[in-house]
Amino acid sequence: EIVLTQSPGTLSLSPGERATLSCRASQSVSKSFLAWYQQKPGQAPSLLIYETSGRAAGVPDRFSGSGSGTDFTLTISRLEPEDFAVYYCQHYGDSPQFTFGPGTKVDVK
Amino acid sequence: QVNLVQSGTEVKKPGASVKVSCKASGYCFTCYDIHWVRQAPGQSLEWMGRINFGNGQQKYSEKFQGRVTITGDASATTVFMEVRSLTSEDTAAYYCARDGWNYDILTGLNGFEIWGQGTTVTVSS
Repeated sequence: EIVLTQSPGTLSLSPGERATLSCRASQSVSKSFLAWYQQKPGQAPSLLIYETSGRAAGVPDRFSGSGSGTDFTLTISRLEPEDFAVYYCQHYGDSPQFTFGPGTKVDVK
Repeated sequence: QVNLVQSGTEVKKPGASVKVSCKASGYCFTCYDIHWVRQAPGQSLEWMGRINFGNGQQKYSEKFQGRVTITGDASATTVFMEVRSLTSEDTAAYYCARDGWNYDILTGLNGFEIWGQGTTVTVSS
C-alpha cells in the first residue's frame, strides 16, 4: 500500500504570499493518479487538482500542481483570504489504493 | 446541477449499526462510481469503499471489509453505506463522493469530483 506524507504540517503565511506544499509517496506514483483537495473548517473536501496538474472546474489559476515519481507539489501563487484551509494529497489508484496524506494546514501568520 | 445530499446526524450506542444515505442528482447516476470517505475529529481522510454501477461491484478497504456494506438504488439515485458493530472509534464525519470517471463514455478525470455535505455519526454509551 502506498503511504503519503505531507510537509510541512502547518504553513503560516500572510495573504499575498506564495505557498508551496509537498506530498511524498512511499513508492513511485503515476502522474495520472495524484490529486489534491482543499477542506475548510466544517465543510466537505473539494477537488482542487487532479492527475498531478489538472485544475478542477472553477479552481482559480493561482493554484497549480506539479511533480512526478514520489514527489509532488501544490503551489498557491498568491494567497487569498479564502485559501487558508487544510490541503490533502491523494493517491487515486485502484482500490484499496485511494489513500490520503495527513494534510497540510495553511494558516494566517 | 450536480449534487449529492446525505442523510442527517446520527447518534448510536456501541454495538449498534448505522446506515447513511447519499442522494444523487443532476447527472447520469449509473455512469460514475460513488465512494465513501470518513474523517474522525481532527484527523485526515480515510477511504472506506466504493460502488460501481456499471458492473455492480463493491470494493472495500481491508480495514472495513466485512463490517461495512455499500449498496445502491438506481431507481432512487441513492447510495447507502452501512457500518455494523460500531465503537467509539467510528465517531466521525462520513462523506459520499462521486468519482470523476464516466464509465459510459469512458472519459473524465481521476479524482473525487463531487462531495456530499457529510453526515456526522457519534457513537457513545
